[in-house]
Amino acid sequence: DAGVTQSPTHLIKTRGQQVTLRCSPKSGHDTVSWYQQALGQGPQFIFQYYEEEERQRGNFPDRFSGHQFPNYSSELNVNALLLGDSALYLCASRRRLGMADTQYFGPGTRLTVL
Amino acid sequence: LAKTTQPISMDSYEGQEVNITCSHNNIATNDYITWYQQFPSQGPRFIIQGYKTKVTNEVASLFIPADRKSSTLSLPRVSLSDTAVYYCLVEAGTALIFGKGTTLSVSS
Repeated sequence: DAGVTQSPTHLIKTRGQQVTLRCSPKSGHDTVSWYQQALGQGPQFIFQYYEEEERQRGNFPDRFSGHQFPNYSSELNVNALLLGDSALYLCASRRRLGMADTQYFGPGTRLTVL
Repeated sequence: LAKTTQPISMDSYEGQEVNITCSHNNIATNDYITWYQQFPSQGPRFIIQGYKTKVTNEVASLFIPADRKSSTLSLPRVSLSDTAVYYCLVEAGTALIFGKGTTLSVSS
């Protein structure tokens, strides 16, 4: 049983560009969340998707947007990249929204903005 | 802001038992207490979760007093490979709010 998978592993972009990161949840999971982790900090919640809708959002600007597909996979899009967007982007999945079920994290995508 | 407070760092030696205490004074009735382990440049890995009393699995134990305002993660007989950042979170199935975690350093 594959866990949470993310692609790509690493990505280098320049300021002003746009980026799309992808996540496939663990089998049987229908809720996907995205987190940003800057160096030396804990992960920061970006948003959560369930039933193809954004259900909860953290304190991130509208440049950060997402999507969830019918197969529960998800994308994170970031527009007009800034140097400060350089971070490890983590995807996490769980079985059902609202339940304190175990949340599993993927290996992350390392984004570097030059 | 994180809902929890835990020590920034701890040091230990191989073979010792390590206890990391987390304070969560404002825990809500429907919150669970969850601990994650994270190695550099990897995603956090679930360790253990509990609601009250004691929970034990193959890697750790979690002690939660009756008032649930704190919890203690116990790692028996740590090894060098347990060197990592440990996060304590309280959650009810919504967004996880991470603090800076506890950096555990295990030496030989």
